[in-house]
Amino acid sequence: DGGITQSPKYLFRKEGQNVTLSCEQNLNHDAMYWYRQDPGQGLRLIYYSQIVNDFQKGDIAEGYSVSREKKESFPLTVTSAQKNPTAFYLCASSLSPGHLRSSYNSPLHFGNGTRLTVT
Amino acid sequence: ILNVEQSPQSLHVQEGDSTNFTCSFPSSNFYALHWYRWETAKSPEALFVMTLNGDEKKKGRISATLNTKEGYSYLYIKGSQPEDSATYLCAHTSGTYKYIFGTGTRLKVLA
Repeated sequence: DGGITQSPKYLFRKEGQNVTLSCEQNLNHDAMYWYRQDPGQGLRLIYYSQIVNDFQKGDIAEGYSVSREKKESFPLTVTSAQKNPTAFYLCASSLSPGHLRSSYNSPLHFGNGTRLTVT
Repeated sequence: ILNVEQSPQSLHVQEGDSTNFTCSFPSSNFYALHWYRWETAKSPEALFVMTLNGDEKKKGRISATLNTKEGYSYLYIKGSQPEDSATYLCAHTSGTYKYIFGTGTRLKVLA
């Protein structure tokens, strides 16, 4: 079955350590996204990628880094520079919206998320 | 409205009741409005993608309407069932990859 796999489900790290969250999709989607959820807030966009070897900062990119070396994979690294890393992280993908208004008909497909706790 | 706002934040209804929620979004430069259902321990699942003013979409007992001129969408659930218990999210885009999400409406259907 096609889908998005995030791993691990739970992750614990000590403050000051970098940590990488995995996101893999086999939906053949061009676009991939990383969102963060905090209590009482909507999903906030960290980074997104439209195609391989290209990615853009979202609204809260500071302290995070990504890579997109393969179409299927979009790992997120939470660096020690991220001041409040403890959160729930969701990865998503979609068919590339492209430049046509009609292409925004494509919904986002989400993984199950990774809950990161930094102490 | 500059952000995406959802109301109410949460609600409890009895099994069999009908209910509705609101999503408000910026009405300028509208491209699409998405509705997602997010059940506990699962990933968000797309319900509807709406792009045209006046759109009405239906999926079983769930339906949605869209008013892009005034910047709101309603989600309706007819005859709520316990399995409808979830958080319902809406997301708006004005033509970029930035889908802006609301904080969601948490629905609990009591048997």
